[in-house]
Amino acid sequence: DAGVIQSPRHEVTEMGQEVTLRCKPISGHNSLFWYRQTMMRGLELLIYFNNNVPIDDSGMPEDRFSAKMPNASFSTLKIQPSEPRDSAVYFCASRPDTDNSPLHFGNGTRLTVT
Amino acid sequence: GQQVMQIPQYQHVQEGEDFTTYCNSSTTLSNIQWYKQRPGGHPVFLIQLVKSGEVKKQKRLTFQFGEAKKNSSLHITATQTTDVGTYFCAGDYKLSFGAGTTVTVRA
Repeated sequence: DAGVIQSPRHEVTEMGQEVTLRCKPISGHNSLFWYRQTMMRGLELLIYFNNNVPIDDSGMPEDRFSAKMPNASFSTLKIQPSEPRDSAVYFCASRPDTDNSPLHFGNGTRLTVT
Repeated sequence: GQQVMQIPQYQHVQEGEDFTTYCNSSTTLSNIQWYKQRPGGHPVFLIQLVKSGEVKKQKRLTFQFGEAKKNSSLHITATQTTDVGTYFCAGDYKLSFGAGTTVTVRA
């Protein structure tokens, strides 16, 4: 099992540019989560999907952020336009569709917006 | 909504000493999970507690779930340099994480 795969590992972009982060969950996992981690705010849940459907996006900071899951094996998190305060590590995690199952995290994407 | 608070935020420990980190929820939890994140890494699942008053051990780590299922603790005995990292608790169905306790160890 390859685990949760995120790309890119690092992204450096200029303010105002569009950024797209990608995630491939573990095969067979029906729930997918996007988190953002910063020193100031810790690990924040942005959005999670169940069976490709967004269930809770209350953590998405503002309209500049959007997430999609077009199929069970792929999800994207898009920021348009990006701002320096968006700089953080973005993690994707997945788990089987059972309430008590643990999360499997990807290695994260370190985003730097200059 | 549910909030999970962890204390302390930072823990600097002498190698060989014990320490405890605490997790408190504003609401009753159905279960609680603990994760460890090494510096530069990603959170990795350690354990899950489900039952009121449950205690589980993993070598030098002891995890406890409170009777009211609103708090939990992680106790590490004889801290080693391999224990360095940030320990998170997470609760409820959408896994809201606490801010974590970042542990550093002095040899």
